[in-house]
Amino acid sequence: AQSVSQHNHHVILSEAASLELGCNYSYGGTVNLFWYVQYPGQHLQLLLKYFSGDPLVKGIKGFEAEFIKSKFSFNLRKPSVQWSDTAEYFCAVILFSGGYNKLIFGAGTRLAVHP
Amino acid sequence: GAVVSQHPSWVICKSGTSVKIECRSLDFQATTMFWYRQFPKQSLMLMATSNEGSKATYEQGVEKDKFLINHASLTLSTLTVTSAHPEDSSFYICSVDRGEQFFGPGTRLTVL
Repeated sequence: AQSVSQHNHHVILSEAASLELGCNYSYGGTVNLFWYVQYPGQHLQLLLKYFSGDPLVKGIKGFEAEFIKSKFSFNLRKPSVQWSDTAEYFCAVILFSGGYNKLIFGAGTRLAVHP
Repeated sequence: GAVVSQHPSWVICKSGTSVKIECRSLDFQATTMFWYRQFPKQSLMLMATSNEGSKATYEQGVEKDKFLINHASLTLSTLTVTSAHPEDSSFYICSVDRGEQFFGPGTRLTVL
């Protein structure tokens, strides 16, 4: 079955530190990949997505992710985090099934950034 | 994008009662809406795909008689948790697919 794995459940960083959150998926076919963010008390928002083309994808708020097909990975990065990046981050892969696009989510990574 | 609302944002009910959660697509006519549940500190799990004018498609392991979904119009889908029990306490989130999925703010259900 298709699945998405996020390696880190909790990450604590100081402001200005660099961030990399791991995401691996298990699916042999063409994939569409996403990173979502959920700020405290808010709903899920799309950070960035990869459908095809340049494997290095840039998203909002300075985030980027790199799709490495050979490693089945789509890691999220940010060179310098801010306190306002404190949130939960979800990696997701789309599965086309029965005429619908279904999102399969990873378990999430809770990021805490200390000033 | 698409604006999605949910009502109520938080509901507390007694065990054995039924609770209805509404999901509205405010600026987009959605033939398909998705319902997820999120347990504390866990990921979103797709429960069912709600189809306007037809039966919902439930994921494996989700009881369709317990989680009743009605997609009566292009802007409204409802999820009714019937005979709720404490283990149904969770965060329920809906989304609409408009090229990408746009999520509602979620409904926190607490069953006493």
